[in-house]
Amino acid sequence: NAGVTQTPKFRILKIGQSMTLQCAQDMNHNYMYWYRQDPGMGLKLIYYSVGAGITDKGEVPNGYNVSRSTTEDFPLRLELAAPSQTSVYFCASRPSGRAGDTQYFGPGTRLTVL
Amino acid sequence: SQELEQSPQSLIVQEGKNLTINCTSSKTLYGLYWYKQKYGEGLIFLMMLQKGGEEKSHEKITAKLDEKKQQSSLHITASQPSHAGIYLCGAVVSTSGTYKYIFGTGTRLKVLA
Repeated sequence: NAGVTQTPKFRILKIGQSMTLQCAQDMNHNYMYWYRQDPGMGLKLIYYSVGAGITDKGEVPNGYNVSRSTTEDFPLRLELAAPSQTSVYFCASRPSGRAGDTQYFGPGTRLTVL
Repeated sequence: SQELEQSPQSLIVQEGKNLTINCTSSKTLYGLYWYKQKYGEGLIFLMMLQKGGEEKSHEKITAKLDEKKQQSSLHITASQPSHAGIYLCGAVVSTSGTYKYIFGTGTRLKVLA
């Protein structure tokens, strides 16, 4: 199994540009998450999904959109990039929402908006 | 305020020394997870604790969850340069009847050879 994969690894955007961060998992997990990690701030939840066709906002959803058309894929869309969106983005998945289920993370996408 | 407090924020130790990182919450932790992150990489799952008083070890790393399930510690014995990185605790807490996954801010560990 590849686990959770993310592309691209690095990206530089200009203000106002848009892009999609890709995330895929091959573990047949129902739950998938997008986080951003800012220095010294831990991880903040952007969006999550409990299954194909179902998505919901996390703590910091503004400026982002997601879709979940398949179990495997959970792309994150930035429509109008802003410097405040400079961060490291992590995608994660877990089998279900049970407390005992471990969350598995992708390697991250480092995004800089200039 | 942070729901999951981690301390210390950073730690520099000499190789061979023991160290402890703490993770504390005011809420009951229904699952407590420890991750390690190296710069530019994702989070690597280390251990999960669920029961009060539970203790798990892997190689030279031991994690404990207190009886009240509100505090966990990660202890590294005889640290090595390979232990360097950022250690993050994550936990499942209940808010208004629903579970959510939260994270501490991380502890940056440097081990001097």
